[in-house]
Amino acid sequence: EAQVTQNPRYLITVTGKKLTVTCSQNMNHEYMSWYRQDPGLGLRQIYYSMNVEVTDKGDVPEGYKVSRKEKRNFPLILESPSPNQTSLYFCASSSSIAGLRGEQYFGPGTRLTVT
Amino acid sequence: GESVGLHLPTLSVQEGDNSIINCAYSNSASDYFIWYKQESGKGPQFIIDIRSNMDKRQGQRVTVLLNKTVKHLSLQIAATQPGDSAVYFCAETGMDSSYKLIFGSGTRLLVRP
Repeated sequence: EAQVTQNPRYLITVTGKKLTVTCSQNMNHEYMSWYRQDPGLGLRQIYYSMNVEVTDKGDVPEGYKVSRKEKRNFPLILESPSPNQTSLYFCASSSSIAGLRGEQYFGPGTRLTVT
Repeated sequence: GESVGLHLPTLSVQEGDNSIINCAYSNSASDYFIWYKQESGKGPQFIIDIRSNMDKRQGQRVTVLLNKTVKHLSLQIAATQPGDSAVYFCAETGMDSSYKLIFGSGTRLLVRP
């Protein structure tokens, strides 16, 4: 089954404790992206990747890091989480090299709470 | 499942009626637009897209209209069904924005049986 998976689905952590949210897709997609979703603000793009070893900032990259060492995986790293990073996070992938000219598939979401 | 708890504009329609969801986009240089549906506890799901060289595109039970003059996008759902109840987002992108996908704040569609 074609899908985007994220782990963990729920995470409660404390300020400053490094964490990684994993994202994996089994569709051989070039393009992958991370979004955060907050009440009243919709979805905002954090980082995206056009292909292996190619990443770029989205609209809200501060406080986040990503890596794309393999085509299928695109982990989101919070080196020193802060309470304002409490949010619902989505990973997405697309087959289009242009990144957004094709249908994006979204993962199920990761609910992160930073206390 | 996950819920976002958004305080969204809400459209309530009777089952079987047509629904029209509107979106004003921000960047006149955007050249590609997408509508997504997000059901409670799930990630957004692609519905339909349209390029800026078109003003209308039809899918199965859905139609997207694009008015570039006033930077307005609409999604029409024919014969709305209970399964259409969800939050709907429009999104825009283009070369000018380096292909970043910018989402609108969303509209909640409630279908009354």
